[in-house]
Amino acid sequence: AQSVSQHNHHVILSEAASLELGCNYSYGGTVNLFWYVQYPGQHLQLLLKYFSGDPLVKGIKGFEAEFIKSKFSFNLRKPSVQWSDTAEYFCAVNSGKFYFGSGTKLNVKP
Amino acid sequence: DVKVTQSSRYLVKRTGEKVFLECVQDMDHENMFWYRQDPGLGLRLIYFSYDVKMKEKGDIPEGYSVSREKKERFSLILESASTNQTSMYLCASIPGRATDGNTIYFGEGSWLTVV
Repeated sequence: AQSVSQHNHHVILSEAASLELGCNYSYGGTVNLFWYVQYPGQHLQLLLKYFSGDPLVKGIKGFEAEFIKSKFSFNLRKPSVQWSDTAEYFCAVNSGKFYFGSGTKLNVKP
Repeated sequence: DVKVTQSSRYLVKRTGEKVFLECVQDMDHENMFWYRQDPGLGLRLIYFSYDVKMKEKGDIPEGYSVSREKKERFSLILESASTNQTSMYLCASIPGRATDGNTIYFGEGSWLTVV
């Protein structure tokens, strides 16, 4: 079965620190890859997605992610986090069914 | 704008009751999904439908069934509700084929408490 693994369940950073959240998936065929963010009390929002072309994709709010096919990875990065980035982040894979990882909670200390 | 509507936002049901969660989307999407979201577990796929009357099991189908009689409507049924089915249930839809690069659209969610 398809699986999506997010390695970090809870990350705590200070403002201006750099962020990298890991995501690995297990499906070997063609996939679309996504990162979603859920702010406290709100619904899921799309940060960025990859489906073809340049493996480095840029999303909203300064986030980017790199698709490395050989590693089945799609890690999320941001060079300098802000307090307002405090949220839960979900990696997702669409291989026909749309699967989500278990999420990473990010706390950014002001 | 795509709209995915879950008719019930908050429900409280008793153990053993049959529960229906309804979802309607207005953009003629082929694919519809039901997830449950629990703290620390993310979104887990319960069932998926890629066409009318077609369905596939997700990761956690036990205790649930679904119905898709019309393209725009995808219902989740809890045959006999149990306390471990207390959760937030999310309906979603997506157009086209899996690898078209389309994103998924979510409903507002239904908070179900089983007592």
